[in-house]
Amino acid sequence: GEDVEQSLFLSVREGDSSVINCTYTDSSSTYLYWYKQEPGAGLQLLTYIFSNMDMKQDQRLTVLLNKKDKHLSLRIADTQTGDSAIYFCAGGKLIFGQGTELSVKP
Amino acid sequence: DAGITQSPRHKVTETGTPVTLRCHQTENHRYMYWYRQDPGHGLRLIHYSYGVKDTDKGEVSDGYSVSRSKTEDFLLTLESATSSQTSVYFCAISGEATDTQYFGPGTRLTVL
Repeated sequence: GEDVEQSLFLSVREGDSSVINCTYTDSSSTYLYWYKQEPGAGLQLLTYIFSNMDMKQDQRLTVLLNKKDKHLSLRIADTQTGDSAIYFCAGGKLIFGQGTELSVKP
Repeated sequence: DAGITQSPRHKVTETGTPVTLRCHQTENHRYMYWYRQDPGHGLRLIHYSYGVKDTDKGEVSDGYSVSRSKTEDFLLTLESATSSQTSVYFCAISGEATDTQYFGPGTRLTVL
C-alpha cells in the first residue's frame, strides 16, 4: 500500500538551517503537506505544495518536491528554538509519515 | 484556528468497557476523520466520513466504529476497549478529500 517515510530525529543549532526529508510511494497526490505538532497539541498545517510545482517558498520555509524520486523536503532557514516540534509530511490517500522530531539547541 | 473541538480531552478507562469520543466542528466541512497517534507509527487513519451517515474504514479500523448523524458531529466508539487502544486520538476535518485537513486538539485515552 501507500507509504510515507521520514527520519525520526534531527538536531540543529539555533540559527542554522534545518532540512527535513520525506519519501513517498503514492504519486497521485494533488497536494503534499507539511504539518507541525508542538508538545501536547494537535497538528497545524505549516505549508503545502501543489504536485505540479518543484519548489515553494514561504518566509523561512522552503519546500522542494522531486517527483521523479518521490522526495519531499522542508527547509527551515534561521532555525529558532520555537521551531522545536515534530514535523509530519503527508500526501493524498490520508497517509502520514511517522514524524521527524526537530530539536533546536541554543 | 478551524473550529474543531474534541471531548473528552483525557480519559482513563478499564479493559472491556465501551468508550465514545466526540468530535465537533463549526466549519460545516463535509469530511471528518479519526486518527490515532502512537510513538513510531505517526498518525494512522481509523475511519473517515464524507457526509452524514456516510463513513468508510481507514488503515486501522478493527475494534472501532463511527457514526455521523449530523454534519457537525463525528463519534468514535470503542465497543470493548483494550490496552492496545491506549493512544492519542485526533479528529480532523476538510472541505473536500483533497483539501487541507485541520486537526482538533486530541484526546488522550488510557485503557488499563
